Amino acid sequence: EVQLQQSGPEVGRPGSSVKISCKASGYTFTDYVMNWVKQSPGQGLEWIGWIDPEYGSTDYAEKFKKKATLTADTSSNTAYIQLSSLTSEDTATYFCARGGPFAYWGQGTLVTVSS
Amino acid sequence: DIQMTQSPSFLSASVGDRVTINCKASQNINKYLNWYQQKLGEAPKLLIYNTNNLQTGIPSRFSGSGSGTDYTLTISSLQPEDVATYFCLQHSSRYTFGAGTKLELK
Repeated sequence: EVQLQQSGPEVGRPGSSVKISCKASGYTFTDYVMNWVKQSPGQGLEWIGWIDPEYGSTDYAEKFKKKATLTADTSSNTAYIQLSSLTSEDTATYFCARGGPFAYWGQGTLVTVSS
Repeated sequence: DIQMTQSPSFLSASVGDRVTINCKASQNINKYLNWYQQKLGEAPKLLIYNTNNLQTGIPSRFSGSGSGTDYTLTISSLQPEDVATYFCLQHSSRYTFGAGTKLELK
């Protein structure tokens, strides 16, 4: 059974960074890209980007190129997203979703930006 | 970038009703269109992939159709457990989600 288990809620100060993890199981981690999606409170879904865990290659939506950094650790089957220079606009739930595309999703991680 | 226009934004229907939700792409997406259901506090769940393919485990009352720029999700007989928000996703060129349709019981 494919499972994507995300790390717990984060609180970040304005200007700081947070890093969220997504641990994959039930499939070969390097066979699929991992996407990340943002859902702002009461809003729709925005694609942030993907990472190919096998090669480390990435693609980002233009809006998130300076905001998000995607990485992956094949030894632990875990994908990461780091969000930098946090502002109130970054308060949202962030999901990982396996390529295939987007057939399997993590449970979401709430990031709250607050001083 | 491809834009997706989803309608309606809000829908109120009765149990047993036939419900349709639409997504219109800003250009031809060649049937690379998925539909998702999201309940409050949960992750989106894949219902339909590539326009009209039912994901394993999804009830047959859900179906999809369309081509070119216009796509439709149909629930043939609405059930109480279908109350949720529904999103479309185009994956023809990168990825764009529709804004969502909130479905409630009348």
